[in-house]
Amino acid sequence: GENVEQHPSTLSVQEGDSAVIKCTYSDSASNYFPWYKQELGKGPQLIIDIRSNVGEKKDQRIAVTLNKTAKHFSLHITETQPEDSAVYFCAPMDTGRRALTFGSGTRLQVQP
Amino acid sequence: EAGVAQSPRYKIIEKRQSVAFWCNPISGHATLYWYQQILGQGPKLLIQFQNNGVVDDSQLPKDRFSAERLKGVDSTLKIQPAKLEDSAVYLCASSPPGTGKGYTFGSGTRLTVV
Repeated sequence: GENVEQHPSTLSVQEGDSAVIKCTYSDSASNYFPWYKQELGKGPQLIIDIRSNVGEKKDQRIAVTLNKTAKHFSLHITETQPEDSAVYFCAPMDTGRRALTFGSGTRLQVQP
Repeated sequence: EAGVAQSPRYKIIEKRQSVAFWCNPISGHATLYWYQQILGQGPKLLIQFQNNGVVDDSQLPKDRFSAERLKGVDSTLKIQPAKLEDSAVYLCASSPPGTGKGYTFGSGTRLTVV
């Protein structure tokens, strides 16, 4: 099965700084690479995703980059704001199986 | 559109008791998932349904957990008998037919076993 590792486990930044979270996966069949944000008491919410035929995708302050050869993808958040504080999960998927496998999460804290 | 509905939000039971959770997915979503999220960890897939058929239940502890989706719409997950290590948030998610985009989670049921 898929083995997913996420680093770092915790990240504290000052408001306005950038944050980067890296995810490494093992299953070469994975072809869909989403990032989820989970706030306290809520379910994970999709914030950005990328497919295997694309190397980078950007949506305002967030971006995802993919290195399929090295089997890792990263979440980049620029100009961080206090409301970005949450737990972030990567969850690569083989769309043939259609079940996400989650990493262990990164707790991001943005200090005002 | 309405989101994924789950109930109850919280449940406290004693070990060896039984408990059931309910999930109503987004209308039209053929695939339904139950995940277990232990505190401080990522969600772990328990079972995946496609309409009313089971696609993957390889990580479901079948000696105590069961799930059904009889009419291909809502679903129930049951634990009997519960153990202390079952304390977790149980998340339901659904996705439409297609390539996997549009995975939506409910808010979950927080189970505490004492």
